[in-house]
Amino acid sequence: GQQLNQSPQSMFIQEGEDVSMNCTSSSIFNTWLWYKQDPGEGPVLLIALYKAGELTSNGRLTAQFGITRKDSFLNISASIPSDVGIYFCAGQIPGNQFYFGTGTSLTVIP
Amino acid sequence: DAGITQSPRHKVTETGTPVTLRCHQTENHRYMYWYRQDPGHGLRLIHYSYGVKDTDKGEVSDGYSVSRSKTEDFLLTLESATSSQTSVYFCATRTSSSSEAQYFGPGTRLTVL
Repeated sequence: GQQLNQSPQSMFIQEGEDVSMNCTSSSIFNTWLWYKQDPGEGPVLLIALYKAGELTSNGRLTAQFGITRKDSFLNISASIPSDVGIYFCAGQIPGNQFYFGTGTSLTVIP
Repeated sequence: DAGITQSPRHKVTETGTPVTLRCHQTENHRYMYWYRQDPGHGLRLIHYSYGVKDTDKGEVSDGYSVSRSKTEDFLLTLESATSSQTSVYFCATRTSSSSEAQYFGPGTRLTVL
């Protein structure tokens, strides 16, 4: 299957700091998605990106669709304790299948 | 939120027994998916459906079958459960548009002893 490399695997940051994470692939995707998952729950969609170069914000979250269509970035500004969780990227190739990264575990220290 | 429910939410079963997990959606989304989530592997696609009675295999389909007799329901069956199928199973749905994201259910935690 497709390989999505997500980094970093885990992050420990102080409350108020900014966070950056990214996903890269050897394949070209036509959609990039970013999800957050809390323990015991399903992933919740944060941001969807549909065009190369697109930059989209959702509150303190900003994500970008890489110009090569092989990568995407998620930034969280001024982190707060409720940002704790696992963040997943997902890419879609033509044919409707989505492929997921292995996740970035975020811990915010008050 | 696509009004997705999964049942059961938790199940413990023994090796060799059949197991069926149900996904129900209220949004009339065309596409439905079954994933499994395991540490170190992220979410991996088992099977998906692009319409009633239309299904296809994902990357980890061995040992699983699916059925979709109604738009709102997508069933995942383990004909003879094995310990390697211990996992958390998520259902997801998507509208028929080619540029819409997937929305996930709350998950089913399955343990095969």
